[in-house]
Amino acid sequence: GAGVSQTPSNKVTEKGKYVELRCDPISGHTALYWYRQSLGQGPEFLIYFQGTGAADDSGLPNDRFFAVRPEGSVSTLKIQRTERGDSAVYLCASSDNGASGNTIYFGEGSWLTVV
Amino acid sequence: GQNIDQPTEMTATEGAIVQINCTYQTSGFNGLFWYQQHAGEAPTFLSYNVLDGLEEKGRFSSFLSRSKGYSYLLLKELQMKDSASYLCAVNGNAGNMLTFGGGTRLMVKP
Repeated sequence: GAGVSQTPSNKVTEKGKYVELRCDPISGHTALYWYRQSLGQGPEFLIYFQGTGAADDSGLPNDRFFAVRPEGSVSTLKIQRTERGDSAVYLCASSDNGASGNTIYFGEGSWLTVV
Repeated sequence: GQNIDQPTEMTATEGAIVQINCTYQTSGFNGLFWYQQHAGEAPTFLSYNVLDGLEEKGRFSSFLSRSKGYSYLLLKELQMKDSASYLCAVNGNAGNMLTFGGGTRLMVKP
């Protein structure tokens, strides 16, 4: 696609429920990143994929968070037993590859609200 | 650890020049990015510095001093549409993962 596409754009869920957030990166980009951004703050790194494998998942806050990228393109961020503190914008980004200096392009984000 | 500091808010006048500073302390350094983010929108790439000095791109310029752990973004001939958050981000390790500062909210007034 022309840019990084994320769905849903908005999601309201009840505490304790399971949610999935989808990211479709720019076509051909091998590197994919998930970030989380709370209001008034900068994005916080969650996980980085190079191809199908998670090269670095050190930013995932706990084991309720999991992400996959089975075919090296689309990625899904999965959150189990959601908590109110998970409410944030979840940003997906991609770059040509994982080389330093390559421009990272962000999607519009999925706004998650846990009530 | 990673620590990136930038002012929370700044205000400037249309047509003027504004400088947004960023200081960083990171365990590694592979380059520094500036992004612009309008409210409710995705961050968009503005500039990348990996060597010391000034990079100029139209009305926007970015400066880096690696020895001082310091960068600034300079915006000239400010326009109302420049009102946005400006995010400083450092690539501190392999894989191009970025550590972001909290962002500077710039308000441009007539």
